[in-house]
Amino acid sequence: ETGVTQSPTHLIKTRGQQVTLRCSSQSGHNTVSWYQQALGQGPQFIFQYYREEENGRGNFPPRFSGLQFPNYSSELNVNALELDDSALYLCASSPTGGTYNEQFFGPGTRLTVL
Amino acid sequence: SQQGEEDPQALSIQEGENATMNCSYKTSINNLQWYRQNSGRGLVHLILIRSNEREKHSGRLRVTLDTSKKSSSLLITASRAADTASYFCATALSSNTGKLIFGQGTTLQVKP
Repeated sequence: ETGVTQSPTHLIKTRGQQVTLRCSSQSGHNTVSWYQQALGQGPQFIFQYYREEENGRGNFPPRFSGLQFPNYSSELNVNALELDDSALYLCASSPTGGTYNEQFFGPGTRLTVL
Repeated sequence: SQQGEEDPQALSIQEGENATMNCSYKTSINNLQWYRQNSGRGLVHLILIRSNEREKHSGRLRVTLDTSKKSSSLLITASRAADTASYFCATALSSNTGKLIFGQGTTLQVKP
């Protein structure tokens, strides 16, 4: 069974640029959630995708957008990057939508915005 | 604002001692989950306790949930140096919106 994978591991961008982060869910899981974790803080929920549809969104501006593909992998896109977007971005997969089950997290993508 | 508040923010103990971390939350939940994170890497799920459960065990871990006080505790018994990590509680609301609400975490250091 393959776990959750994320790419790239690290990324450096400049303010105003756009970035795409990728996540492959664990085998058999149809739900992917994305979180942003600033240094020294707990993860903050961005959004969840269940069977290719958005299933809940946190308090993030529209320049944070996502996509889930038929194979249940997912992308997180961030436009017009700001310095405060520097963080660890985590994706998590689960066997069903919602949060009634444990989430399986990937290793994260460390984004630095200069 | 974050739903979960954890206490203490940092904890330092000797190997073999027990470590207790507490989590408080504000609204009705379906379940509460505990996660561990090593050095800014991905989170590892430890235990999920549902709102109708009061206590759960997994190996050296014991989790309690008091819904009347809106609080939970994680006890790690006979700690090891490898338990050094940050520990987060996360609440899943009854509405099942897909959102897990994390606390700010407790940083545990276990000295050999």
